Amino acid sequence: GAGVSQSPRYKVAKRGQDVALRCDPISGHVSLFWYQQALGQGPEFLTYFQNEAQLDKSGLPSDRFFAERPEGSVSTLKIQRTQQEDSAVYLCASSLAVWGDEQYFGPGTRLTVT
Amino acid sequence: GDSVTQMEGPVTLSEEAFLTINCTYTATGYPSLFWYVQYPGEGLQLLLKATKADDKGSNKGFEATYRKETTSFHLEKGSVQVSDSAVYFCALSSTNAGKSTFGDGTTLTVKP
Repeated sequence: GAGVSQSPRYKVAKRGQDVALRCDPISGHVSLFWYQQALGQGPEFLTYFQNEAQLDKSGLPSDRFFAERPEGSVSTLKIQRTQQEDSAVYLCASSLAVWGDEQYFGPGTRLTVT
Repeated sequence: GDSVTQMEGPVTLSEEAFLTINCTYTATGYPSLFWYVQYPGEGLQLLLKATKADDKGSNKGFEATYRKETTSFHLEKGSVQVSDSAVYFCALSSTNAGKSTFGDGTTLTVKP
């Protein structure tokens, strides 16, 4: 079946612009995660949804970052007033279980802020 | 909080050499442990996992054993191939939290 998809795959934004990144998880997966991956580093947790409920947003670096999953399926990560330090690959992952299970990753969105 | 420390890379080996990539972790409770792999131009994918102490995860000739006493989950393969060239990430997921915590990744290059 289809895996996790993300769009756009690449995004260039001027500093100060707002961006929206979309994630389509695997159908039926309860859990959805967003991670930020800087060059040469491992993914860093941003936020976690269980169905439509955002249970953990402790990794969001500032109040410019906002995520939603209104119907418990597709999720959007929004970054307002982008800064150069926001440049990274944003990964979405989904998981069938509530916790402790393997995660299935999308290809990521590479965001470059100029 | 939870953390994962991976052997620093990059690692360069000749084909058919033995591979070990070290991984140690700090976590509360009894986490599940994972190795993910990222091939060039592709997304992260699960390589193997172990969910409790002394479990051995294995896949594609790779193995890792969950060692609670040493808080380690080292990745091994007896004979690497050129096609194993990739970035390998060790990760854990605590039983009371949904998120996973990742190491910084180890880049493996296998030369023919």
